[in-house]
Amino acid sequence: SQQGEEDPQALSIQEGENATMNCSYKTSINNLQWYRQNSGRGLVHLILIRSNEREKHSGRLRVTLDTSKKSSSLLITASRAADTASYFCATDGSNYQLIWGAGTKLIIKP
Amino acid sequence: KAGVTQTPRYLIKTRGQQVTLSCSPISGHRSVSWYQQTPGQGLQFLFEYFSETQRNKGNFPGRFSGRQFSNSRSEMNVSTLELGDSALYLCASSIRQETQYFGPGTRLLVL
Repeated sequence: SQQGEEDPQALSIQEGENATMNCSYKTSINNLQWYRQNSGRGLVHLILIRSNEREKHSGRLRVTLDTSKKSSSLLITASRAADTASYFCATDGSNYQLIWGAGTKLIIKP
Repeated sequence: KAGVTQTPRYLIKTRGQQVTLSCSPISGHRSVSWYQQTPGQGLQFLFEYFSETQRNKGNFPGRFSGRQFSNSRSEMNVSTLELGDSALYLCASSIRQETQYFGPGTRLLVL
């Protein structure tokens, strides 16, 4: 089952702008992860944030986590054409299973 | 280290046939998970194996099965294929229930 829900489902911005996507989840978590998927390929891990962390940075990526609201956001700064992809959040569920959101499709226009 | 590999990359089958997909995890990774991805459906969890034992199974019919070998390589099998089984099948390996490393996927088309 899909616990996470990404918002928006699709996002189109100009190159150089910042992109923000959100993820909401339903149950308590130990950590939340963000992955990127280029068209029709495997997913690539971007960043993991633990439940006791509020913000984490990795290059042009900034992830925040609000456990009280059960939500996370992924900010990509100074977007590039290569950032065009689908972005998924995943939370640690029970029984060794990650719970995935439906993804946000990001399009960067040149 | 070499990444996760999946074979074959593309496959065309007809309804009623069966198919076996293979996944070789990153060396040292004992957990292998399988997912089905169809347009608009996101990732649907199939099953997860650890040290040759299936630890968890998603909500798929019994036509979908899998196994893991002692070298951690895993296979999944789909019997009596249906048109709706056309999808990208992704395999991921991990050390713990955290970062998963995905293979490129096998794209299955059922005609």
